[in-house]
Amino acid sequence: DTEVTQTPKHLVMGMTNKKSLKCEQHMGHRAMYWYKQKAKKPPELMFVYSYEKLSINESVPSRFSPECPNSSLLNLHLHALQPEDSALYLCASSQGTGTGGGNTIYFGEGSWLTVV
Amino acid sequence: KQEVTQIPAALSVPEGENLVLNCSFTDSAIYNLQWFRQDPGKGLTSLLLIQSSQREQTSGRLNASLDKSSGRSTLYIAASQPGDSATYLCAVSKGGGTSYGKLTFGQGTILTVHP
Repeated sequence: DTEVTQTPKHLVMGMTNKKSLKCEQHMGHRAMYWYKQKAKKPPELMFVYSYEKLSINESVPSRFSPECPNSSLLNLHLHALQPEDSALYLCASSQGTGTGGGNTIYFGEGSWLTVV
Repeated sequence: KQEVTQIPAALSVPEGENLVLNCSFTDSAIYNLQWFRQDPGKGLTSLLLIQSSQREQTSGRLNASLDKSSGRSTLYIAASQPGDSATYLCAVSKGGGTSYGKLTFGQGTILTVHP
């Protein structure tokens, strides 16, 4: 089973709302990622968690707050977002962080976020 | 800064044709390269991963090659089917350890296979 599950699939939120995106994997993967994808563009990395610790933050605005409660779960807390933050947010995971040549990175179906 | 380019941007072929998608990258110091497909409005599906020490990988009708020194990879799809219609993305990883997962993607090739 190579499944990364993301909820919700669609989210509409106002600029003053607080919401969260959730991601779950049961493959025993120890690295998890958040990517953002705008329409007709490739995904761009936001955050990397390795062994439940934040290892990369790609200068993401603080209105996005990641959290890794345990090795299977990854959350993205959203607060005071702007309309330009509307995008597809993709969660991904890999068994490790590439030791030995690389581990396949598996993506979820994404959460479509619309900020109004 | 790594830049990844995919050619062509779009490709339309009749069912049954063999086809090649191209990916080039400017910095040959890559850790590995992955090919993904993305259906409209969906997430990414991993197709093949080629480690920097490898020359090619095969899965079913797909074959991906890697020439690290020239900064090129190709994805060969044999006997294309309408179900292969999707956007194909290649992505390179710079290194392992804490920088792993920082993929640099190409803009993708939109493939349409018509019956």
